[in-house]
Amino acid sequence: DAKTTQPPSMDCAEGRAANLPCNHSTISGNEYVYWYRQIHSQGPQYIIHGLKNNETNEMASLIITEDRKSSTLILPHATLRDTAVYYCIVTPSYDKVIFGPGTSLSVIP
Amino acid sequence: EADIYQTPRYLVIGTGKKITLECSQTMGHDKMYWYQQDPGMELHLIHYSYGVNSTEKGDLSSESTVSRIRTEHFPLTLESARPSHTSQYLCASSRTRGNEQFFGPGTRLTVL
Repeated sequence: DAKTTQPPSMDCAEGRAANLPCNHSTISGNEYVYWYRQIHSQGPQYIIHGLKNNETNEMASLIITEDRKSSTLILPHATLRDTAVYYCIVTPSYDKVIFGPGTSLSVIP
Repeated sequence: EADIYQTPRYLVIGTGKKITLECSQTMGHDKMYWYQQDPGMELHLIHYSYGVNSTEKGDLSSESTVSRIRTEHFPLTLESARPSHTSQYLCASSRTRGNEQFFGPGTRLTVL
C-alpha cells in the first residue's frame, strides 16, 4: 500500500475554509484517495474519495494534483463540529483500509 | 443510515475470562474489519474478511481470533483476556468494490 504523509495538527478559524493536505508520492495507478474523520472516540466517518478527478459532495471537496502525488481536502466553512482527526488513505478499492496517524484539526471560535 | 451493530458497548471483565465481541451488519457487505484503538492513539487493523469463510490478520498482531460463517456476522473472540487487551474495539464493513467503510459504535473493553 502507498503511504501517506499528513501534518500532525492544524488550526482553522470558525467559518473559514479548512484545507488539509496529504502527500502520497508513491501512489499506484489503481489506488484511490480516501478521506475519513474521527470525532473524539467515535468510529471514523467516511467523507469522500477520488481517483484522479476532483470530487465534491455535501461534506467536502477533494482536490487531487494532476500527477496524483498529493491531494487536499477542503471543508468550505469549518464549524466547531468539524474538530476531529482527519485521515488520508490510499488503497485499491478492493483492498483493506489502513489508518495512519492523520491530522488533528482544531476549529477555533 | 448505516446499520452496523456492536455488542456489548461496554465490558468490564476479569483476567483469564473468555469473551466474544459481536458485530453484525444488515447492508449485505462482503468486507468486514476489526480495529483496535487505545485512547488518543491510532486505529490499528487487527482482522479483516473479504466474505464468508475468509479471515485475515491485520497489521497489528493480536491474540484475538475471528470467524465469518455468515455474511452479516463477524465476531471477535479472546480466549483468555488480559489487562493488555483493555482498549476500544471498532467493527466496520464495506462493499466488495469500494472502501467507503461504515463503522459500528465500538466496544470499550476493560480487563481487570
